Amino acid sequence: DTEVTQTPKHLVMGMTNKKSLKCEQHMGHRAMYWYKQKAKKPPELMFVYSYEKLSINESVPSRFSPECPNSSLLNLHLHALQPEDSALYLCASSGSAGGTNTGELFFGEGSRLTVL
Amino acid sequence: DAKTTQPPSMDCAEGRAANLPCNHSTISGNEYVYWYRQIHSQGPQYIIHGLKNNETNEMASLIITEDRKSSTLILPHATLRDTAVYYCIVRVAGGNNRLAFGKGNQVVVIP
Repeated sequence: DTEVTQTPKHLVMGMTNKKSLKCEQHMGHRAMYWYKQKAKKPPELMFVYSYEKLSINESVPSRFSPECPNSSLLNLHLHALQPEDSALYLCASSGSAGGTNTGELFFGEGSRLTVL
Repeated sequence: DAKTTQPPSMDCAEGRAANLPCNHSTISGNEYVYWYRQIHSQGPQYIIHGLKNNETNEMASLIITEDRKSSTLILPHATLRDTAVYYCIVRVAGGNNRLAFGKGNQVVVIP
C-alpha cells in the first residue's frame, strides 16, 4: 500500500464552523506533513510531525490546529477560518521506521476547502 | 536548503524526449536534487532524486553536472499525460526536513 488517503475530498464551511481534515497512511512512515496550496501557486509547508510529535510549525495561525493521534493518522482541525484560507490542503508522509530514509515524500490527492 | 531556478514554462512534442533544466548553483555537498511533478488537481508525485551520479528509473533520467550546479530531468518519450508542473528541489536527504517547493516549470506536451 503506497497511498496517502485524505478525507474529505471537498469541504465547504462557514467562518464560524469547526471542521477537520483527515489523512491516513499505512506505509510505516514516521513523518507526516500538511501543506497548503492556493490556485496556480506551489504547495507551502504548514506543519511537520516526526514520530507523532510536532517538529515544524511554519508560523501557521492558531485557527489551524494539527493533531497526530498515532503514526498512521494526521488531522487538521479548522476553526474560525477566513475566506482567504480557501485552498487545497495536501497531506504527505515520508520515512520508514526501520529502513533507509531517502527523503521521498508521498502525497495524498488533497482536500479542497472553501470557506464562505 | 539551496534555491533552484527553472524556466516558468515549456512545450514538448509528444513522443520526443523532454529535457527539463534546473539551476542550483548554491547547492551544498550533502544536498540531493529531487524532482516532483504535479498534474492538475492532483497531489505532487515523486519522480527521481540524485546526489552526484546520474540516475534512471522507470519514469525518468536525472543528469547532474560534474560541479553539481545544474541538472536536467529527461522524460524519454513524452506523452500527453506528462503535462504537469515539474518542481526541482534541493534538500538534505533523510531526517524529516522541510521540503520547500519553488515556482516550478509548467510543461505542456503537445500532440
